[in-house]
Amino acid sequence: KAGVTQTPRYLIKTRGQQVTLSCSPISGHRSVSWYQQTPGQGLQFLFEYFSETQRNKGNFPGRFSGRQFSNSRSEMNVSTLELGDSALYLCASSYSPDREYEQYFGPGTRLTVT
Amino acid sequence: TQLLEQSPQFLSIQEGENLTVYCNSSSVFSSLQWYRQEPGEGPVLLVTVVTGGEVKKLKRLTFQFGDARKDSSLHITAAQPGDTGLYLCAGEEYNAGNMLTFGGGTRLMVKP
Repeated sequence: KAGVTQTPRYLIKTRGQQVTLSCSPISGHRSVSWYQQTPGQGLQFLFEYFSETQRNKGNFPGRFSGRQFSNSRSEMNVSTLELGDSALYLCASSYSPDREYEQYFGPGTRLTVT
Repeated sequence: TQLLEQSPQFLSIQEGENLTVYCNSSSVFSSLQWYRQEPGEGPVLLVTVVTGGEVKKLKRLTFQFGDARKDSSLHITAAQPGDTGLYLCAGEEYNAGNMLTFGGGTRLMVKP
């Protein structure tokens, strides 16, 4: 079956703009998590959604937000972009938040802020 | 926030050599996962260890979870060029759903 899909794969934005990234989980998966990966900070958890509800949130400013739709697809939004927001944004899906279910990562969206 | 220290950060070895990557924390995790990530792709899960002292083998890879569930190691025997990549450990806190705390990663290069 198809894996996790993230769109777009690459994005260039200007400081101050906002951006929306999309994640389509594996069919049947209802949990979606978002991570930011940078060379300096590594992989950091942003937030997790399950059945359209945010279950966990990482230590990121309010400029970072997300949502999940009834079909489990998820979007994350970053407003007032800063240069430091340049990163690879990864989405991971699993059947549920229960530990026994493996998370599958998408290929990521590479965001560059100039 | 729990932290995971991963070492070494970089490792360049010859084909056939053995290596060990370490993942340490001062905090206890309910489980620990190891991932491998290649350029342009997301991390791929290699193994999950759950029980303190647990040892799991995946072909030439051996994973161990510390007795106190604070640390883990990944040992690769007779490394091959195909093992080249970024290895990441990730800890799961109790009752934290899918929220993972990742180590900084070990970038491994195996030269033929």
